[in-house]
Amino acid sequence: AQSVTQLGSHVSVSEGALVLLRCNYSSSVPPYLFWYVQYPNQGLQLLLKYTTGATLVKGINGFEAEFKKSETSFHLTKPSAHMSDAAEYFCAVSYNAGNMLTFGGGTRLMVKP
Amino acid sequence: DSGVTQTPKHLITATGQRVTLRCSPRSGDLSVYWYQQSLDQGLQFLIQYYNGEERAKGNILERFSAQQFPDLHSELNLSSLELGDSALYFCASSVGSRGSQETQYFGPGTRLLVL
Repeated sequence: AQSVTQLGSHVSVSEGALVLLRCNYSSSVPPYLFWYVQYPNQGLQLLLKYTTGATLVKGINGFEAEFKKSETSFHLTKPSAHMSDAAEYFCAVSYNAGNMLTFGGGTRLMVKP
Repeated sequence: DSGVTQTPKHLITATGQRVTLRCSPRSGDLSVYWYQQSLDQGLQFLIQYYNGEERAKGNILERFSAQQFPDLHSELNLSSLELGDSALYFCASSVGSRGSQETQYFGPGTRLLVL
């Protein structure tokens, strides 16, 4: 069964600093990979996704992620954190054979002024 | 705003009761997915409907059931409620049936509290 691991349930950065949120998946077949963001009291919003093609994926709000098959990783980065980036971030995977998203445990990003 | 609506926003009920959560997908979307978000289990897929028919099933309890109506809205029925059913229930929708590649758009959720 597929699984997703997000290292660090809480990450704190200073405003303007690099954001790095880690995601690793376990799979024997190529996955489709997603990052979602959840702001307080709101639903999930898609940041970016990787299905096929270029392994560096750019998303909304300046975020990007790189699919590294050899490392089974899909880490999310943003060069410069903004206060409005404070939220919970979820990595998710799906597979061609299935329709469901399997989510990681989430990482709460805190941005300090 | 994703275009997916869920009602009610909040629901407080007692153990043993039954509740119905409602979801309207984005205009044009044929698939509806239900997810449960709880502190101990995280975000878990429950079930998917596509154009009125069940398409995929996840970790959905037998006490829970869902359906999708001809107008494509969906309802999730939770019965014999237990304290552990307290959670945030999300509905998501997508255009087609292949949720694996498609973007799923999430509603704001229904927060259920079982006392």
